[in-house]
Amino acid sequence: DGGITQSPKYLFRKEGQNVTLSCEQNLNHDAMYWYRQDPGQGLRLIYYSQIVNDFQKGDIAEGYSVSREKKESFPLTVTSAQKNPTAFYLCASSIDLGGTYNEQFFGPGTRLTVL
Amino acid sequence: QKEVEQNSGPLSVPEGAIASLNCTYSDRVSQSFFWYRQYSGKSPELIMSIYSNGDKEDGRFTAQLNKASQYVSLLIRDSQPSDSATYLCAVLEGSQGNLIFGKGTKLSVKP
Repeated sequence: DGGITQSPKYLFRKEGQNVTLSCEQNLNHDAMYWYRQDPGQGLRLIYYSQIVNDFQKGDIAEGYSVSREKKESFPLTVTSAQKNPTAFYLCASSIDLGGTYNEQFFGPGTRLTVL
Repeated sequence: QKEVEQNSGPLSVPEGAIASLNCTYSDRVSQSFFWYRQYSGKSPELIMSIYSNGDKEDGRFTAQLNKASQYVSLLIRDSQPSDSATYLCAVLEGSQGNLIFGKGTKLSVKP
């Protein structure tokens, strides 16, 4: 089955901890994205990557970090510098970045709660 | 700041009726537009994409685009209770090629 997987589904973080959210895709897509969704809010872009070993900050990158060592994987680390990390985190991928037909497909999401 | 605006709803329609969801956007150079459906607690699912002015039909869904008015809509014919969800409008911005999402319209289809 082709698709995007995210783990864990639920994650609890204590104050001062860094946590890493996993995102894997087997769609052979070049571009991958991380979004954050808060209740009643639209999706906000955290980071995106067009190719391996390259990534760009989105609108709300502060307190987050990413890596793209493999085409299939785009993990997101929520650092202790992120003051309000409780949210629903969504990973997405598309064939490429910026093309007219840039259809993005989403993984099932990780719900992060700060204790 | 490029924006995508949607009525938050809730929009309530009876079963079998047509649901009409609307979206306006500020980026005049945008060329690609998408509708996602998001059930409560789940991730967004792409249901329609439209790139040219006019209508695009897929089953019970019709997307309508008017670039001159910077307006895109989604019609759902013969609405079913299973269509009850939040519908997100997304616009591909012209400069960096990223999607800008509206906050979504919550649709409720009453049996």
